[in-house]
Amino acid sequence: KQEVTQIPAALSVPEGENLVLNCSFTDSAIYNLQWFRQDPGKGLTSLLLIQSSQREQTSGRLNASLDKSSGRSTLYIAASQPGDSATYLCAVGVNTGFQKLVFGTGTRLLVSP
Amino acid sequence: NAGVMQNPRHLVRRRGQEARLRCSPMKGHSHVYWYRQLPEEGLKFMVYLQKENIIDESGMPKERFSAEFPKEGPSILRIQQVVRGDSAAYFCASSRDSHSNQPQHFGDGTRLSIL
Repeated sequence: KQEVTQIPAALSVPEGENLVLNCSFTDSAIYNLQWFRQDPGKGLTSLLLIQSSQREQTSGRLNASLDKSSGRSTLYIAASQPGDSATYLCAVGVNTGFQKLVFGTGTRLLVSP
Repeated sequence: NAGVMQNPRHLVRRRGQEARLRCSPMKGHSHVYWYRQLPEEGLKFMVYLQKENIIDESGMPKERFSAEFPKEGPSILRIQQVVRGDSAAYFCASSRDSHSNQPQHFGDGTRLSIL
């Protein structure tokens, strides 16, 4: 059974810092991995998707890496801004004949001005 | 291009009543997924549907819960005889297909409160 863990559970940084969020999963036979952002009372916004054959994806100030063999992914945020404050969720796609997502419990990020 | 639309945003029901949650997928998407987020917990998969078919409902409680995605109209998640433990945020996601390069796009959720 796939389990996804995210550390830290919460992170507070001053504006401008570069930071890394961590995600680990127990079964390396994944379909893909998605990073999402969730704002309070809102839905999930897809940030990056890495297919199982890929090692990383980049979008703007965000870079996500995937190491299937060690069961890890990291989300790197460069030059953090207060608008980056949100909960970041890692979700592993399990190919059970379709793309079922198994979520971690998230990292709550607060970027102070 | 409208995103995934869920309604209502907030729903209050008394114990024993029925709750009906609606989800309209993104245009061009025929795959719908429902997830539940209990307080202080992560999102958990409930059910996966394609038009007129339930593909996998392994995450859905066997009693009181049902889902459909008719040929016309939105997907519906139905909870009969609600109990306090059903209070949660229910999220719907859609995708164009189930290929590994296709992200799931999520709606803003329905927050269900049981009195």
